[in-house]
Amino acid sequence: AQKVTQAQTEISVVEKEDVTLDCVYETRDTTYYLFWYKQPPSGELVFLIRRNSFDEQNEISGRYSWNFQKSTSSFNFTITASQVVDSAVYFCALSEALGNKLVFGAGTILRVKS
Amino acid sequence: NAGVTQTPKFQVLKTGQSMTLQCAQDMNHEYMSWYRQDPGMGLRLIHYSVGAGITDQGEVPNGYNVSRSTTEDFPLRLLSAAPSQTSVYFCASSLRTRNTEAFFGQGTRLTVV
Repeated sequence: AQKVTQAQTEISVVEKEDVTLDCVYETRDTTYYLFWYKQPPSGELVFLIRRNSFDEQNEISGRYSWNFQKSTSSFNFTITASQVVDSAVYFCALSEALGNKLVFGAGTILRVKS
Repeated sequence: NAGVTQTPKFQVLKTGQSMTLQCAQDMNHEYMSWYRQDPGMGLRLIHYSVGAGITDQGEVPNGYNVSRSTTEDFPLRLLSAAPSQTSVYFCASSLRTRNTEAFFGQGTRLTVV
């Protein structure tokens, strides 16, 4: 069975600090996909990144970066120089190769204080 | 482009009542799904559909029915509402192939009293 664990329930940082959100997954599939979604206080779910299991290259998008390590089954998300607008709930999710069924972690609440 | 539209945004039901949560997408996506979000549990899959006329159960299907008569619409029916169904419900759609990202609706906050 697939499982996603986000062990950090809530993180508080001060603006401009760097913060890393952890995501550990379990799957028996050799082909799978990993996602990060952001849920701001307004409640909608915003797609951030998709990564397939054959692509272990780290990715950087502005202040956001992702570190995918198959050896430790982790897909961590780092925000550099955090801003108040980064305050949200962040979800890591996993889907199998066939079909688009997402298995979500419990989410990490990020609070960025000015 | 409207994307994924859910109605209503808020709803209060009495125990035992039935209702339908509407979901429509205009992106011609084959794959549609319903999730519920509960505190500390992330989102869990209720039902999904890979195309018109085809539906299947997800992780938490009990108490819910779905149908998919058209590509655009995927309504979720609560047959006899229970307080345990108090939750935020999200509809999502995506292309069936290549595991592209899912697009989510704005959510429906349902309270069963």
